[in-house]
Amino acid sequence: ELKVEQNPLFLSMQEGKNYTIYCNYSTTSDRLYWYRQDPGKSLESLFVLLSNGAVKQEGRLMASLDTKARLSTLHITAAVHDLSATYFCAVFRERSQGNLIFGKGTKLSVKP
Amino acid sequence: SAVISQKPSRDICQRGTSLTIQCQVDSQVTMMFWYRQQPGQSLTLIATANQGSEATYESGFVIDKFPISRPNLTFSTLTVSNMSPEDSSIYLCSADYRAGAFFGQGTRLTVV
Repeated sequence: ELKVEQNPLFLSMQEGKNYTIYCNYSTTSDRLYWYRQDPGKSLESLFVLLSNGAVKQEGRLMASLDTKARLSTLHITAAVHDLSATYFCAVFRERSQGNLIFGKGTKLSVKP
Repeated sequence: SAVISQKPSRDICQRGTSLTIQCQVDSQVTMMFWYRQQPGQSLTLIATANQGSEATYESGFVIDKFPISRPNLTFSTLTVSNMSPEDSSIYLCSADYRAGAFFGQGTRLTVV
């Protein structure tokens, strides 16, 4: 059974600092997603990582995937208040019609 | 990105009644997915909706409680039946495209 562990669950950062969110998963998968969710809103797709060694960057966020270690990271560079949100990783569940298993989410708060 | 429209966006319902949530996607997809997000929690997959066959339910979810229809390749409905306050959640539909898995805006259900 695929399990997805995300940490930390809560992260309070100061503006300008860097930090990394980790996403570990328990069984083989070749696709991993990162989403952002603002309070009361749906999920916004940030990154789709499709292969080992994949790295994608958008603004202050960079995501990477190591399928051998079953680990993805979401790195935040020089955080700003607008990045405050909850971030979810989700792993594609192979051989089961393509649905996603989500981590518990990381609630990020960026303070001035 | 894909456009996934869900309605209603929110509803307040009496216990014991049923609510049907509609999901429309902007291009044909083989599978659509329904998720539940309880307050402050992550997303949990309810079922996979296949066009032309019965939905596939995850452990802990049953067809009598969450009947699903998938009449064509761009539309699906989820019914929450015989509601109780424990069903108060956000319900989200999703579809998987080559560019990623996208979500509707969600239906915020409150059962009183």
